[in-house]
Order: sequence, then structure tokens, then C-alpha cells
Amino acid sequence: EPEVTQTPSHQVTQMGQEVILRCVPISNHLYFYWYRQILGQKVEFLVSFYNNEISEKSEIFDDQFSVERPDGSNFTLKIRSTKLEDSAMYFCASSEGYTDTQYFGPGTRLTVL
Amino acid sequence: QKEVEQNSGPLSVPEGAIASLNCTYSDRGSQSFFWYRQYSGKSPELIMFIYSNGDKEDGRFTAQLNKASQYVSLLIRDSQPSDSATYLCAVKGGATNKLIFGTGTLLAVQP
Repeated sequence: EPEVTQTPSHQVTQMGQEVILRCVPISNHLYFYWYRQILGQKVEFLVSFYNNEISEKSEIFDDQFSVERPDGSNFTLKIRSTKLEDSAMYFCASSEGYTDTQYFGPGTRLTVL
Repeated sequence: QKEVEQNSGPLSVPEGAIASLNCTYSDRGSQSFFWYRQYSGKSPELIMFIYSNGDKEDGRFTAQLNKASQYVSLLIRDSQPSDSATYLCAVKGGATNKLIFGTGTLLAVQP
């Protein structure tokens, strides 16, 4: 069964450093998303992406965040200058269509020291 | 602020019993409703989705939706210890495809 994959599973970085989190969505899916979950808190929407453009973003997704689909398979989330409060699980998700179910990848645990 | 509310639990049920998980939402324009299961340290895994008022059954799981009361629930019949997890309710509005999650209800099924 097709799955969303994410790399790395765990990323440790120093405050102020840039990180890139990578995702490979399910191959026939057209809509891509990033969510995050701070330890003990709810899953929060960051951004949705379709047709090589951001279609929606949350207040959390400020100028330090960016997304890109650099090729036909990868979808990346870049955090330009990490802060301590960026420490969280970051989940990539994809869906076939606008209204379709979103399937989540296994997540990347980001730890900012 | 559009909210999804769930009782955080823990909800403890004996093995074989019915577990009932509840969720309310604030946005009357919400169109799609999802239940995800999340084991500790893992990602959300889709259990069921429901779009229309009424019940929807899939194996041991039944989702119930009441849009007038802005209420969605998940029943798990014949609960198993492996069902022990956090159950996340997620709601999607009509004009957006972002999911708004509740904080989740921790279910503990006692052998």
C-alpha cells in the first residue's frame, strides 16, 4: 500500500541553524501538507500546497518557513533560522484531491538546542 | 477561532466493551469529519471519515455525525488492548482543505 515517507526521522540542530525536512508524498496525490505537533499538544496545520503554489497557510507559517517541490517526487519544508519553540514533530501529508482524505507520513522529530 | 473539542481522558474500558469517543466543533460550515488514531510517538492514522448526518460503520468502528448539534462521535465495539491509543477528531471546513484537530482522547483498554 502506498505511503507517505519522511526523512530524517529525527533531526537535532542548534538554534539559528537552517533545517530542511523532506517528504515523498503518495505518487498520484496532488495536494501536499505540513502539520506540526509540539509534545503534548494538538496537531496544527502549517501549510497546504498544490500545483507548485501555497494554497493556504496558517499564522504559524511565517517568513522563516518555506516549502518547495524541487522535483516530481519530493516536497520539502525549510525552516530558515530555527528557534527553541520550533522543536516538534513535523508531519507531511498528502491527498489525491481537494476534498479527499489526507494520509500522514511517519513524521520528523525536530529538536532545537 | 475555529475549535474542535475533545475530552482528553483517559477513557478506560475493559476488553470487549464498547468505547465511546466524542467531539464537538465550533464551525457550522464544517463539511468533513475524520477520526485518526495516534499511538505514542507515531503519526496520525486514519480510522474513518464521515460527511453526512447519521451513522457510518466500518468493521468494529462506527462514526456518528449530528451537524445540527455540531457533534461527531466514534464507537469502538469489542475493544481490544491494541486499540489503546489517542483518538484524534479532525474537521475540515467547506472553503478550506486544512484539518483542524482536537487535542485527542486517550483510550486505555484494560485486558
